Amino acid sequence: EAQVTQNPRYLITVTGKKLTVTCSQNMNHEYMSWYRQDPGLGLRQIYYSMNVEVTDKGDVPEGYKVSRKEKRNFPLILESPSPNQTSLYFCASRDSGVYYEQYFGPGTRLTVT
Amino acid sequence: SQQGEEDPQALSIQEGENATMNCSYKTSINNLQWYRQNSGRGLVHLILIRSNEREKHSGRLRVTLDTSKKSSSLLITASRAADTASYFCATASTGGSYIPTFGRGTSLIVHP
Repeated sequence: EAQVTQNPRYLITVTGKKLTVTCSQNMNHEYMSWYRQDPGLGLRQIYYSMNVEVTDKGDVPEGYKVSRKEKRNFPLILESPSPNQTSLYFCASRDSGVYYEQYFGPGTRLTVT
Repeated sequence: SQQGEEDPQALSIQEGENATMNCSYKTSINNLQWYRQNSGRGLVHLILIRSNEREKHSGRLRVTLDTSKKSSSLLITASRAADTASYFCATASTGGSYIPTFGRGTSLIVHP
């Protein structure tokens, strides 16, 4: 089954404790991206990647890092999480080219206390 | 920056009625997409309309695009309680990464 998986689905952590949210897709998509979703703000793009070793900042990249060492994986790293990073995070992937939709993962609900 | 803005923010209707949601955007686009999100879940793609298309249908969904007004609308006909969800428009700008940016969404409640 074609899918985007994220782990963990739920995470409660404390300020400053480094964490990684994994994202993996099995569709051989070149493009992957991370979004955060907050009430009243919709989805905001954090980082995106157009291919292996190619990443770029989205609208809200501060406090986040990403890496794309393999085509299928695109982990999101919070080196020193803070309470304002409490949010619902989504990973997405899509084929390259103009007219393709994105496939979303199920989401990771992160709480930073 | 967020490209699309949906209107209204919230919509409450009775089953069987039609639901119309609008999206406005700011810059030139290659295509516009509509997604649906059930509460707390991942987004699911509904329909994509290219910049050179004016209308597109998929089942009970009808999407229009007016590039001169930089706006789109999503019409759900004969709504069902199962259509209750948030709906987002997403735009892929010309000359960009083609990874779409999203609006804040319209929350639709369909009462049985």
